[in-house]
Amino acid sequence: DTGVSQNPRHKITKRGQNVTFRCDPISEHNRLYWYRQTLGQGPEFLTYFQNEAQLEKSRLLSDRFSAERPKGSFSTLEIQRTEQGDSAMYLCASGGGTGNTIYFGEGSWLTVV
Amino acid sequence: AQSVTQLDSQVPVFEEAPVELRCNYSSSVSVYLFWYVQYPNQGLQLLLKYLSGSTLVESINGFEAEFNKSQTSFHLRKPSVHISDTAEYFCAVKGSSNTGKLIFGQGTTLQVKP
Repeated sequence: DTGVSQNPRHKITKRGQNVTFRCDPISEHNRLYWYRQTLGQGPEFLTYFQNEAQLEKSRLLSDRFSAERPKGSFSTLEIQRTEQGDSAMYLCASGGGTGNTIYFGEGSWLTVV
Repeated sequence: AQSVTQLDSQVPVFEEAPVELRCNYSSSVSVYLFWYVQYPNQGLQLLLKYLSGSTLVESINGFEAEFNKSQTSFHLRKPSVHISDTAEYFCAVKGSSNTGKLIFGQGTTLQVKP
């Protein structure tokens, strides 16, 4: 059990570029979550997968955001045509079975310049 | 739907003093409650949780929290804080009838001064 792994940890991109973050959940965890956190705020829910099915999406997840979990294992979060307001830490978390505890990764920092 | 209110954005306290970080929640269904801690530039680490049973739950590093259903609160306490406890603390709630998302409060910055 290596915990939730996120890559890259830091990304600086120019406005208008596309970026992709990857999350590898704890082995055998069937639930995977993406959150966004800005400075001084609590994490805000973006989307949730159970296995490969995306079961819930926040209204925060605009058309420029897309998340996938193609084989029910790792997940990717892509942001197209980045804007300065997208600058934040993107957190991935996973949970398993009927358990109710969710474990977070170290986060991926995005800076849009 | 659930919501969480953390009543204090910052709590300054001297080392070895007691501390309480306040958390109130709102929900129309039964809930599970969590406290997470976040150190600078890091992800969230689970500190403690209430799922069922005893309303007083404890962490391995001396924190405790008590679930109070009538007051819809889940305050976090520690009788004697250390410099190393300086961090951001987040209270979170999840509906007990599903395996869905956590809803977080805005966070409380605990600043422990020597």
